[in-house]
Amino acid sequence: AQTVTQSQPEMSVQEAETVTLSCTYDTSESDYYLFWYKQPPSRQMILVIRQEAYKQQNATENRFSVNFQKAAKSFSLKISDSQLGDAAMYFCAYRSGDAGGTSYGKLTFGQGTILTVHP
Amino acid sequence: DTEVTQTPKHLVMGMTNKKSLKCEQHMGHRAMYWYKQKAKKPPELMFVYSYEKLSINESVPSRFSPECPNSSLLNLHLHALQPEDSALYLCASSKTSTYNEQFFGPGTRLTVL
Repeated sequence: AQTVTQSQPEMSVQEAETVTLSCTYDTSESDYYLFWYKQPPSRQMILVIRQEAYKQQNATENRFSVNFQKAAKSFSLKISDSQLGDAAMYFCAYRSGDAGGTSYGKLTFGQGTILTVHP
Repeated sequence: DTEVTQTPKHLVMGMTNKKSLKCEQHMGHRAMYWYKQKAKKPPELMFVYSYEKLSINESVPSRFSPECPNSSLLNLHLHALQPEDSALYLCASSKTSTYNEQFFGPGTRLTVL
């Protein structure tokens, strides 16, 4: 079974600074997808960024980028120029590539990291 | 329309009540999911429907009964719940169950008295 570990229960950052959230995972699969989801206090879960395991290039979405180290099974999220609206709980999630068609898109989530942004 | 809607936003029910949660999407997605989330914890998958058929039941107690009447609608029927079932119930949808991205609704905050 796959596991996802977020070792930082809480992080804080000053507005306009950069912060990195850590995520490691364990899997024996070669085909999988990794995600970072954001859940602000209003509770709606929003996809921040995705990474396909077969892609060597790290994904980037505006101020959000990942450092994907496949051999180390590490998938960290870097938030640049932090904004007050970035304050939220961030979840790292794993999805099997599911060549056998049995996982039906099941997401395995880490425990989450609460990010506080200070003005 | 890239939205998943859930009603009601809040629900308070007694342990003998019967109630239902509703989830709707009009994105043409054929996979829909129910999750349960406790405060400051990750979502836990409960059920997956793929093409209106129940594909995954994560050993959820029978007091939770899912239903997918059509490709746009997902219900969760609740009966004889326990106080420990109080949580945020999230619905999500995906183009298909093999597609990358799941879109989440805002959730229903359920309190069982």
